[in-house]
Amino acid sequence: GQQLNQSPQSMFIQEGEDVSMNCTSSSIFNTWLWYKQEPGEGPVLLIALYKAGELTSNGRLTAQFGITRKDSFLNISASIPSDVGIYFCAGRKLTGNQFYFGTGTSLTVIP
Amino acid sequence: EAGVTQFPSHSVIEKGQTVTLRCDPISGHDNLYWYRRVMGKEIKFLLHFVKESKQDESGMPNNRFLAERTGGTYSTLKVQPAELEDSGVYFCASSPLSSGGRVQFFGPGTRLTVL
Repeated sequence: GQQLNQSPQSMFIQEGEDVSMNCTSSSIFNTWLWYKQEPGEGPVLLIALYKAGELTSNGRLTAQFGITRKDSFLNISASIPSDVGIYFCAGRKLTGNQFYFGTGTSLTVIP
Repeated sequence: EAGVTQFPSHSVIEKGQTVTLRCDPISGHDNLYWYRRVMGKEIKFLLHFVKESKQDESGMPNNRFLAERTGGTYSTLKVQPAELEDSGVYFCASSPLSSGGRVQFFGPGTRLTVL
């Protein structure tokens, strides 16, 4: 089945540092989503991207829809302890409703 | 407004037993999705309901899994008989028809452990 390559798998950073993670696919997607999952909770949508090249921010988070439509990245600036969690990318092709998820990036922020 | 709820939060069963997971979507959301995440892997799509109809069940692993959504409200996912590889976190998500499935709200998941 379709697989998104999400990297890095895990990150341990100091509070205040910036974070960058990305997803790549062999297929073209027309929608990219970024989710955050905290322990005991389900994934929560952070940012949705619908057009190639689109750059969208949500507070300290910024995500971009790659020009090739095969990748997306998420940046978190000035990380804080509550940024801890697992971040998932998800993409959807032009045809079909199914979203394909990445394997997740586990973020740990050290105070 | 209540979010997506799932029951139980955890289930530990033995291989060969049956387990039924329940999902209550956000009221008014006609789209309902089931996903599964096996430890350390990606969240994988299982199936999609629109109201009571199965729109896409291409992700269902095998015929030991049965999903229903009678009446188009809550949904159940039954695993019978459970195998060791069925262990993982089962997520349910819902979205309104108007969103075209773009924005999906996830429940907290049911963690299933098969021993």
